[in-house]
Amino acid sequence: GAVVSQHPSRVICKSGTSVKIECRSLDFQATTMFWYRQFPKQSLMLMATSNEGSKATYEQGVEKDKFLINHASLTLSTLTVTSAHPEDSSFYICSARKRTGLNTEAFFGQGTRLTVV
Amino acid sequence: TQLLEQSPQFLSIQEGENLTVYCNSSSVFSSLQWYRQEPGEGPVLLVTVVTGGEVKKLKRLTFQFGDARKDSSLHITAAQPGDTGLYLCAGAGWTGNQFYFGTGTSLTVIP
Repeated sequence: GAVVSQHPSRVICKSGTSVKIECRSLDFQATTMFWYRQFPKQSLMLMATSNEGSKATYEQGVEKDKFLINHASLTLSTLTVTSAHPEDSSFYICSARKRTGLNTEAFFGQGTRLTVV
Repeated sequence: TQLLEQSPQFLSIQEGENLTVYCNSSSVFSSLQWYRQEPGEGPVLLVTVVTGGEVKKLKRLTFQFGDARKDSSLHITAAQPGDTGLYLCAGAGWTGNQFYFGTGTSLTVIP
C-alpha cells in the first residue's frame, strides 16, 4: 500500500513556542492532505484539509491562525502549532488519499504525540 | 453529528471469544474501509469493500458491506491479544474529497 510518513513522532515543547509537524507521501503525489486530531480511544477529528498550492480549508471551530498549514509540494504538507499551550497537547495525524479507479483509500502517517509543558 | 456510527464503542473480551463490530449510516457510500489503530500509531488500512453485499476475509477477520452500501460489519473469530486496538470504519463519498470516519470501537482482548 501507499506510504505516508509523519515527523516527528513525539515532541515536547514549552508553552508559548511553536511546533512544526511534517507529512510526506512517499510513493504517490497527493494534491490534498488531511490533518486530524485524536483524543485517547476516540475517533479522528478532522481539523483541516491541506491543498497543494492554495489555502487550507479549516473545519468549524479550528483556528487557522493557531494551526498553520502549508502544502508547498505534491508530497509535503506541514502543520505548525503556533504559540502552543497545554490544551494543544494531543495526538495529531496526517493522511493522504489515493484514488484507484472509483475507490478512495486513506493512508495515514504514524502520528505525532505533542506535549506542551 | 457523526455520519457513521460504530457499535459497540468499547469492547473487552477474553482471548478465544468471537466478536462483531458494526458500522452504520443512513448515507450510501461508494466504498468503505476498515482500519486498525494501535496506541501511539496511525491507523492502518485493513480492507476496502466496494460492492453491496460483498464479503472479504482476512485470516480471522471477516468484513461485510451491506447490500444497500450503508453499513458494514467486522467479525473477528477467536480473538487474540494482538487484535487489541481501535477499529475505525470510513466511508468514501461519490465525489471529491468526501470521506467520513466512524466513531470508533476500542477493543481489548484479555489473555
